[in-house]
Amino acid sequence: SYELIQPPSVSVSPGQTATITCSGDQLGDTSVSWYQHKPGQSPAVVIYRDRRRPSGIPERFSGSKSVGTATLTISGTQAMDEAYYYCQVWDSYIVIFGGGTELTVL
Amino acid sequence: QLQLQESSPGLMKPAETLSLTCSVSGGNVRSSDYCWGWIRQPPGKGLEWIGYVFWSGSTFYKPSLRSRVTMSVDTAKNQFSLRLWSLTAADTATYFCARSPFYGWQNVGPFDIWGQGTMVPVSS
Repeated sequence: SYELIQPPSVSVSPGQTATITCSGDQLGDTSVSWYQHKPGQSPAVVIYRDRRRPSGIPERFSGSKSVGTATLTISGTQAMDEAYYYCQVWDSYIVIFGGGTELTVL
Repeated sequence: QLQLQESSPGLMKPAETLSLTCSVSGGNVRSSDYCWGWIRQPPGKGLEWIGYVFWSGSTFYKPSLRSRVTMSVDTAKNQFSLRLWSLTAADTATYFCARSPFYGWQNVGPFDIWGQGTMVPVSS
């Protein structure tokens, strides 16, 4: 079955750039969304259609995609960005989530 | 601004049937511009998609859950529902309802609005 692979954890120092990857064989054919999920809250979309940012999401969040890999980049990472991040696609009439990446800002 | 609110069934027992509803306010569940989904998160684990229901009543489910799940839309009450039967402890999770923009069967947008989630423990 189709899987999206994310690193379990990423650490970054405040003010530095965090990079979270999402790998999948068929990523080139589908649009990727990214969600931020903080404990006790509902997930929130931070990137959709590979690189588009919803209104209200800071410019430091950006997305990109190459063959087989989508990337979420957070420039100038802040303490408030500490959360779990999930990639997601809609493909062949099912939704697939990546396993999630815990971003630690320390 | 559209808001979603899940019902809270409380503790469930193994083999029982879970029935959840998601009430839609500030919008219309009949809109053909959107589809309505259920997602769950077991304790300590990641997000898991359960399925989508569309304004027309069409549904798509996660293959591994398809034999135990059904979703529907109630336009009179402006809500949509999830039923999951033959529960086991593995179904213990926080269940979220959410909305996605619909651009076409091959092009469904992200989950842009979420409910607050409801925790459903399954235990004897």
